[in-house]
Amino acid sequence: AQSVTQLGSHVSVSEGALVLLRCNYSSSVPPYLFWYVQYPNQGLQLLLKYTTGATLVKGINGFEAEFKKSETSFHLTKPSAHMSDAAEYFCAVSVNNDMRFGAGTRLTVKP
Amino acid sequence: DTAVSQTPKYLVTQMGNDKSIKCEQNLGHDTMYWYKQDSKKFLKIMFSYNNKELIINETVPNRFSPKSPDKAHLNLHINSLELGDSAVYFCASSQDTVVVNTIYFGEGSWLTVV
Repeated sequence: AQSVTQLGSHVSVSEGALVLLRCNYSSSVPPYLFWYVQYPNQGLQLLLKYTTGATLVKGINGFEAEFKKSETSFHLTKPSAHMSDAAEYFCAVSVNNDMRFGAGTRLTVKP
Repeated sequence: DTAVSQTPKYLVTQMGNDKSIKCEQNLGHDTMYWYKQDSKKFLKIMFSYNNKELIINETVPNRFSPKSPDKAHLNLHINSLELGDSAVYFCASSQDTVVVNTIYFGEGSWLTVV
């Protein structure tokens, strides 16, 4: 089955710094890829997704991710971190409606 | 209107009890799911239903039984609760088409077994 590996369970950046959250996937067929964000005590909210077409995908809150097939990666970035970005971020891969999540990366933003 | 709603949001119960978590989606989706998130935030799919039929059934104890009375509802019943069942349970739904398939999540049900 498809799977996702998120490198780094915890990432800490300063406010205004670049955010980079890493995600690598494994899939035997072309995957659909997602990033979700979870704020404390809340459900998951979709940030962005890649299905087909343009490999650079823009999402909400200034986040974007690039699908790199050769590297089997879908890293999430944001040029300038804001305090409100502090949350848990999940990368996910979906094949035939079967979505599998990575273990999550907790993003901390320091003032 | 909440797209995917689940109740209760918080549930504290004793070991050995039987409890249910209800889920409803008003998005007109054909597919519904239950996910379990453990204390380390790891999300794992438990079940998936498409038009009331079981599609995905991961390795879950048979104390967990999903029930889908119609495609807008997927309830989770848990028998003989154990301490290890303490977790956050998320209901979700998606439209079953070949075009993906964003999954929409409910806000979670925090289950604590004491």
